[in-house]
Amino acid sequence: ETGVTQTPRHLVMGMTNKKSLKCEQHLGHNAMYWYKQSAKKPLELMFVYSLEERVENNSVPSRFSPECPNSSHLFLHLHTLQPEDSALYLCASSQALAGGSNEQFFGPGTRLTVL
Amino acid sequence: AQSVTQLGSHVSVSEGALVLLRCNYSSSVPPYLFWYVQYPNQGLQLLLKYTTGATLVKGINGFEAEFKKSETSFHLTKPSAHMSDAAEYFCAVTPGGTSYGKLTFGQGTILTVHP
Repeated sequence: ETGVTQTPRHLVMGMTNKKSLKCEQHLGHNAMYWYKQSAKKPLELMFVYSLEERVENNSVPSRFSPECPNSSHLFLHLHTLQPEDSALYLCASSQALAGGSNEQFFGPGTRLTVL
Repeated sequence: AQSVTQLGSHVSVSEGALVLLRCNYSSSVPPYLFWYVQYPNQGLQLLLKYTTGATLVKGINGFEAEFKKSETSFHLTKPSAHMSDAAEYFCAVTPGGTSYGKLTFGQGTILTVHP
């Protein structure tokens, strides 16, 4: 595997389910990000991790719970979601957090549908 | 604070015609600017970026963009459109310098290329 991978690519869940999204980066990067991409809205940054420490939580509801066990893996645990949470969830990574010129590499995303 | 405005949510061109996608930004500090492309069912891919130095930036697939500070613009151009250019394009801004800055995206422009 190369780059940033995400599993599953598609997920359908009920409002009472608990599921997890997985992201893995094979680039040796130290920073990882979760974004939400909804129709007709700009990409929204959800969480930022640097060296497994959360550095930003962008006012995300507690029904979304991130986990970064090591610098290569990032999870997004989901529980009691709402239909409006249906979106494409994108993971990204970058070499370092500091420095505005660092390029973020994106995974293909998980298309989430909440029924 | 920073923001990005992409003028035109949809742009349609004929194959071989000039592509012009508009992006205006606001930033309280000198910005770093990016253009990303997203093909259907894929994540975002970096086309080009401006950090410092030359204001005309060349990217992949024949695209280029010019940073115009006086106009707070970073428009994306390509002299001759190809069918494979059909995708959604996102302009993004982050504060320049060495401190961490969130990447703020525009709402995206869908480019359609007609034969």
